[in-house]
Amino acid sequence: TQLLEQSPQFLSIQEGENLTVYCNSSSVFSSLQWYRQEPGEGPVLLVTVVTGGEVKKLKRLTFQFGDARKDSSLHITAAQTGDTGLYLCAGGGYSSASKIIFGSGTRLSIRP
Amino acid sequence: DAGVIQSPRHEVTEMGQEVTLRCKPISGHDYLFWYRQTMMRGLELLIYFNNNVPIDDSGMPEDRFSAKMPNASFSTLKIQPSEPRDSAVYFCASSEVASGDYNEQFFGPGTRLTVL
Repeated sequence: TQLLEQSPQFLSIQEGENLTVYCNSSSVFSSLQWYRQEPGEGPVLLVTVVTGGEVKKLKRLTFQFGDARKDSSLHITAAQTGDTGLYLCAGGGYSSASKIIFGSGTRLSIRP
Repeated sequence: DAGVIQSPRHEVTEMGQEVTLRCKPISGHDYLFWYRQTMMRGLELLIYFNNNVPIDDSGMPEDRFSAKMPNASFSTLKIQPSEPRDSAVYFCASSEVASGDYNEQFFGPGTRLTVL
């Protein structure tokens, strides 16, 4: 069974600080996605990484896929209150082109 | 496009009653997914369809749960009879066939179900 563990589970920091959240697995994934979910809404896709070692940037957010395609990280520079939300990583498996496995989530709170 | 549409947004029912959740995927999307989200278990895949055909229902917790997709623009998730432990937020998501080995899913706003 493929599992994705995220750390930390909860993170509360001051606006302007930097942070990194992690997504780890013992399994290899063909792709890794990051979603953000705000209260009362469904998750929204932020980025997809598909190549081992790949780095993608989305404004102040930097996403990296591990060389072995088993882990990923999300780094936020100069966090803003609008970054508050639940961050979910999701892995796509080679065995199914459609099914993805969601991680346990990191609940991020940015204090003004 | 209006995105994935789910109804109702909130449902409160009593134990033993039948509950039906509805979903309209994004037009042109070939895949439809039903998820359940709780604080304890996170986001769990219940079942997914490809071109209206159920592909994997291994996440459906019990026989009390059933899902149908009679056409490309409509799906239902039914719980009968409902139990308090079914209380959760249920999401529907859709995606189109993507190149490579991954897809990008678009989620609806969810249905918050409370079973008393």
